[in-house]
Amino acid sequence: NAGVTQTPKFQVLKTGQSMTLQCAQDMNHNSMYWYRQDPGMGLRLIYYSASEGTTDKGEVPNGYNVSRLNKREFSLRLESAAPSQTSVYFCASRVGGYSYEQYFGPGTRLTVT
Amino acid sequence: QKEVEQDPGPLSVPEGAIVSLNCTYSNSAFQYFMWYRQYSRKGPELLMYTYSSGNKEDGRFTAQVDKSSKYISLFIRDSQPSDSATYLCAMSLDYKLSFGAGTTVTVRA
Repeated sequence: NAGVTQTPKFQVLKTGQSMTLQCAQDMNHNSMYWYRQDPGMGLRLIYYSASEGTTDKGEVPNGYNVSRLNKREFSLRLESAAPSQTSVYFCASRVGGYSYEQYFGPGTRLTVT
Repeated sequence: QKEVEQDPGPLSVPEGAIVSLNCTYSNSAFQYFMWYRQYSRKGPELLMYTYSSGNKEDGRFTAQVDKSSKYISLFIRDSQPSDSATYLCAMSLDYKLSFGAGTTVTVRA
């Protein structure tokens, strides 16, 4: 099992450009999450999907959109990138039910100039 | 005020020392308490979790929760250079996690 995979690993964007970060999990998990990690701020939840077909805002959703394409895949889109969105983005998944453990992907390092 | 506060360090200790990490939190509704370890340029991985107040041991690691004081700790005994990483505390409410900022630990050989 690959676990949680993310593409791309690195990306540089110019202000105003758009892009989609891809996440996939092969663990048959129900819930998926997108976080951003900034120095001194820890991990902050952007959006999550409790189950296929549902998405909800987290702590810092502004400037982002998500799509739960199917049970395996959960993408994060930046419509018009801003320098404040320079960060490391992590996708995570959770089996669902009463389980609380989240499994994280390797991250995408995004720089917006 | 952030819901979860964690001293970012950095912390540098000699090999074999005890590493002590802690977090405080403000939301008494948090249900589960976890410690994640994150190596440089990698994703976080769950190290330990606990639900109730008290201690939980797993090998060289001990997690401690004091709900009355809203305070959690992680102790690493006989620390090794391979323990050098950033340690993040996390707390769960409704299956969403709130993280501390992380403490970077370096164990010197």
